[in-house]
Amino acid sequence: QSALTQPASVSGSPGQSVTISCTVTISDLAYNPVSWYQQHPNKAPKLMIFDVINRPSGISSRFSGSKSGNTASLTISGLQPEDEAEYYCSSHTGTGSRVFGGGTKLTVL
Amino acid sequence: QVQLQESGPGQVRPSETLSLTCTVSGGSIHTGSYYWSWIRQPPGKGLEWISYVYYTGITNYNPALRGRVTTSIDTSKNQFYLRLTSVTAADTAVYYCVRDVSLPSYNWFDPWGQGTLVTVSS
Repeated sequence: QSALTQPASVSGSPGQSVTISCTVTISDLAYNPVSWYQQHPNKAPKLMIFDVINRPSGISSRFSGSKSGNTASLTISGLQPEDEAEYYCSSHTGTGSRVFGGGTKLTVL
Repeated sequence: QVQLQESGPGQVRPSETLSLTCTVSGGSIHTGSYYWSWIRQPPGKGLEWISYVYYTGITNYNPALRGRVTTSIDTSKNQFYLRLTSVTAADTAVYYCVRDVSLPSYNWFDPWGQGTLVTVSS
């Protein structure tokens, strides 16, 4: 089991909002911020959110991050067909090791 | 803007050593706020962090791979490297080199190289 637990899949219709969760399962990660990555098939992952809530330059405001307790979330509003992709969360442990969640497949219906 | 490019053999025989080079362009690898990471993704599976190296040569490795992996850096060439010994079919993956933005309490990966597929097969 990954130290960061994500749902295997989520789905939504165009225009709707979806939220992908990332739950910390070990205490060593509990206070370390999460980043989020989008990966289209056969492409390299792309940074979408860093330090829980921040968007890099060029990332649509439809993507937002939040955190409550030991769960970080990525919300995508106004779903568009091009949002269909795999999404990963990531953080690091107290020893500096980086970890990823298992990934969530977003399907736009 | 910074770009990263992986290079190395696309096929390695079982029990041999996988060696990859990452060339950084558009910026210096000799920068205090950044580590330089290797991340891999087996076909159809998720992402796995392998290691990072700092410009001083400080390294950190995934505990699951420690003992088989070595990461090094050459600031004069703006390159960093991955060596993975005693490979098996389970090491078949797309290998990415990535800039690891690291501050005391948080980190993120950006940008990523395009990735290179390494197949372990005889």
